[in-house]
Amino acid sequence: AQKVTQAQTEISVVEKEDVTLDCVYETRDTTYYLFWYKQPPSGELVFLIRRNSFDEQNEISGRYSWNFQKSTSSFNFTITASQVVDSAVYFCALSGDTNAGKSTFGDGTTLTVKP
Amino acid sequence: EPEVTQTPSHQVTQMGQEVILRCVPISNHLYFYWYRQILGQKVEFLVSFYNNEISEKSEIFDDQFSVERPDGSNFTLKIRSTKLEDSAMYFCASRTDRNTGELFFGEGSRLTVL
Repeated sequence: AQKVTQAQTEISVVEKEDVTLDCVYETRDTTYYLFWYKQPPSGELVFLIRRNSFDEQNEISGRYSWNFQKSTSSFNFTITASQVVDSAVYFCALSGDTNAGKSTFGDGTTLTVKP
Repeated sequence: EPEVTQTPSHQVTQMGQEVILRCVPISNHLYFYWYRQILGQKVEFLVSFYNNEISEKSEIFDDQFSVERPDGSNFTLKIRSTKLEDSAMYFCASRTDRNTGELFFGEGSRLTVL
């Protein structure tokens, strides 16, 4: 069974603050894939990043960075110098080798960035 | 850039009516999915489809639900007799590889059952 936990239901920050969204996962698969998606108020799901279980390198893309730690089963997402446009619901998701590519989503974290 | 398209964007229906939600996945993708998101809640897996058959389905995907790929391009979700609790946003998604590829989501079809 797979499980993704996003313990932070809502986070509110002021513009230009850094913010970290937590994601903890559980899986029995030895090979698995982790994803982050953004859901802005318009409702669509926007892919942000994919991480393979065998690649623990952290990644930075502009103001976004991801910290994958297999030892703690975490895949945290940091936004540096947040902006109002970052306000959205962010979902962490997990996909393993033993299912049909089904992705299990966390409950999501609602991020509000105030001006 | 290729994208997954869904129609209709919003459908309002009476309880007990049949609804068909349509999706056109990205043309070279092989794996297709339907997910559901009740307002304000998490994104839930409904069904996966590969090689013209269901690969996996969740507990939500009961006998009232069916999927098919009638013509090699469209991928449809049918709800035979809608219930109030079927009101949700339904997302279609597709990917190239079973696990490694990102899921490309459509913009969703909002279903409101009255």
